[in-house]
Amino acid sequence: GQSLEQPSEVTAVEGAIVQINCTYQTSGFYGLSWYQQHDGGAPTFLSYNALDGLEETGRFSSFLSRSDSYGYLLLQELQMKDSASYFCAVFSGGYNKLIFGAGTRLAVHP
Amino acid sequence: EADIYQTPRYLVIGTGKKITLECSQTMGHDKMYWYQQDPGMELHLIHYSYGVNSTEKGDLSSESTVSRIRTEHFPLTLESARPSHTSQYLCASETGLGTGELFFGEGSRLTVL
Repeated sequence: GQSLEQPSEVTAVEGAIVQINCTYQTSGFYGLSWYQQHDGGAPTFLSYNALDGLEETGRFSSFLSRSDSYGYLLLQELQMKDSASYFCAVFSGGYNKLIFGAGTRLAVHP
Repeated sequence: EADIYQTPRYLVIGTGKKITLECSQTMGHDKMYWYQQDPGMELHLIHYSYGVNSTEKGDLSSESTVSRIRTEHFPLTLESARPSHTSQYLCASETGLGTGELFFGEGSRLTVL
């Protein structure tokens, strides 16, 4: 089977740094993606890691360790607009389909 | 800007009705997905397609069916809607070229009375 574990909630203040972890168990792993979803909106793509290491895109970075079946999303210089749910997702299986974790709700306070 | 469209955005219907949720993309993507999501909850994969005439059921059992007769079109049908089908349905497409990115539509929020 497949499973992804991530914290259900994280709280931080504006300007801070927050890390959202994701561990996964899956067969035929191809890569780890991260998505952001605001209430009432559709998920939007943030990053993708197929190889070990850190990928940086502006204030957001994502890390993957394939040997540890682990990744994280790092959000820096937090802003109020970063309050949203963040989902890790893995491409897996014979048809390389995308399976989502349960999501982490991030609340950014002044 | 993603070119993937879902209709209707909102639908309220009675039990037993047949409904079709439409999803179209103009990007020529081979892979398309349907996810079901309750408010504040995770996305459950219910159907996916990796090309014309190729569809597979996802990990969440669903009473819905899909078809993929054309690359750009991936409709989802419920033959007989029930209150348990009340949810948001999200359609997405992917290039399949290893970028890891899905493009999502705005979703169809279904309420079955």
